[in-house]
Amino acid sequence: GEDVEQSLFLSVREGDSSVINCTYTDSSSTYLYWYKQEPGAGLQLLTYIFSNMDMKQDQRLTVLLNKKDKHLSLRIADTQTGDSAIYFCAEGDTGRRALTFGSGTRLQVQP
Amino acid sequence: GAVVSQHPSRVICKSGTSVKIECRSLDFQATTMFWYRQFPKQSLMLMATSNEGSKATYEQGVEKDKFLINHASLTLSTLTVTSAHPEDSSFYICSAQGETQYFGPGTRLLVL
Repeated sequence: GEDVEQSLFLSVREGDSSVINCTYTDSSSTYLYWYKQEPGAGLQLLTYIFSNMDMKQDQRLTVLLNKKDKHLSLRIADTQTGDSAIYFCAEGDTGRRALTFGSGTRLQVQP
Repeated sequence: GAVVSQHPSRVICKSGTSVKIECRSLDFQATTMFWYRQFPKQSLMLMATSNEGSKATYEQGVEKDKFLINHASLTLSTLTVTSAHPEDSSFYICSAQGETQYFGPGTRLLVL
């Protein structure tokens, strides 16, 4: 079955860049997503990328996709304390099946 | 963007009672909705796929008689946790399939 893996924890200083990594196993993945979850809250879709793209940039967020290695990363530039949260990557396809989520990476931003 | 709502947002109930959670797509129709469960400090795990007008498809290990799913219209799916027990306490999140999947804000269930 599909599997998505992430590192569990990342700590950065305010103003630095954060890079959160994710690997997946399903070669049929068409869409790859990044979600943010703050304590006690639901999921906030940050961005997503189609599998035929290598990179997508949206303001402070840059997503890089290495389809050959099945590796996805999310870079947050100028990280702020408000970025502290858990970040989930997820993969899906055009077959309208449910998304498969990674375990989540807890980002801690220190002032 | 598309909006999905869930009701209630939080519920506390006594052990042995049943709880119904609603998931609504507000501005689009969804033939398929998904129910996920998230335990504290864990990821989202798919419980079942809800298909409008047909029976839900449950993931392995999820009891269909305990977690009743009804998808009676193109904008509403309900999850009923029957005879809830403390181990059912969790964060339940639905998503609706539109152009992509749109997630609801989640329902936090606490069973005493």
